[in-house]
Amino acid sequence: QQQVKQSPQSLIVQKGGISIINCAYENTAFDYFPWYQQFPGKGPALLIAIRPDVSEKKEGRFTISFNKSAKQFSLHIMDSQPGDSATYFCAARWAGGSQGNLIFGKGTKLSVKP
Amino acid sequence: NAGVMQNPRHLVRRRGQEARLRCSPMKGHSHVYWYRQLPEEGLKFMVYLQKENIIDESGMPKERFSAEFPKEGPSILRIQQVVRGDSAAYFCASSPWTSGTSEQYFGPGTRLTVT
Repeated sequence: QQQVKQSPQSLIVQKGGISIINCAYENTAFDYFPWYQQFPGKGPALLIAIRPDVSEKKEGRFTISFNKSAKQFSLHIMDSQPGDSATYFCAARWAGGSQGNLIFGKGTKLSVKP
Repeated sequence: NAGVMQNPRHLVRRRGQEARLRCSPMKGHSHVYWYRQLPEEGLKFMVYLQKENIIDESGMPKERFSAEFPKEGPSILRIQQVVRGDSAAYFCASSPWTSGTSEQYFGPGTRLTVT
């Protein structure tokens, strides 16, 4: 099954708090998991990505946690800021495909309140 | 280094007309992907191209849609005889030709409205 399920659909966090967005997948042939940030009227911007041989990756305030056995991965935004308010998409690439073809979750709309 | 460029940014077409969307990949990138995004939805893969080759078109509707990436010039997504259901944001992404990498960088999109 080539699906990526993302939750929650929307999230409100106070400034300085931690934002957590979760994704789950079923196909064990996925081998690359990026997160994208999209502001209204703009294209998605690559935020951070992880491969399944790593359990955690951190870049600045953004951390991906990956649980291979549970087939889940999550994005943590530490010290969330109003400027982080955007829609976040998780995605997965199918290793059996043509080295493209990202499969996206439906997105989480994050709102960080000042 | 300029990013992925798409034009036009907004396109309005009447039902039955043709829509042509253009994408210029980042410098040095030879892989181009097209995705469609409906309101409040994630992106759906349409087609993956390299120069002069369609590698994977499994996400393309069988009729009215076509894509090309010629040796010279931008990649073009063509939608013939547009219908209201084609109204969406169409995003192009590019990737460098490096074995094993999957980083895709997106353009700003073309927002197609069919009236």
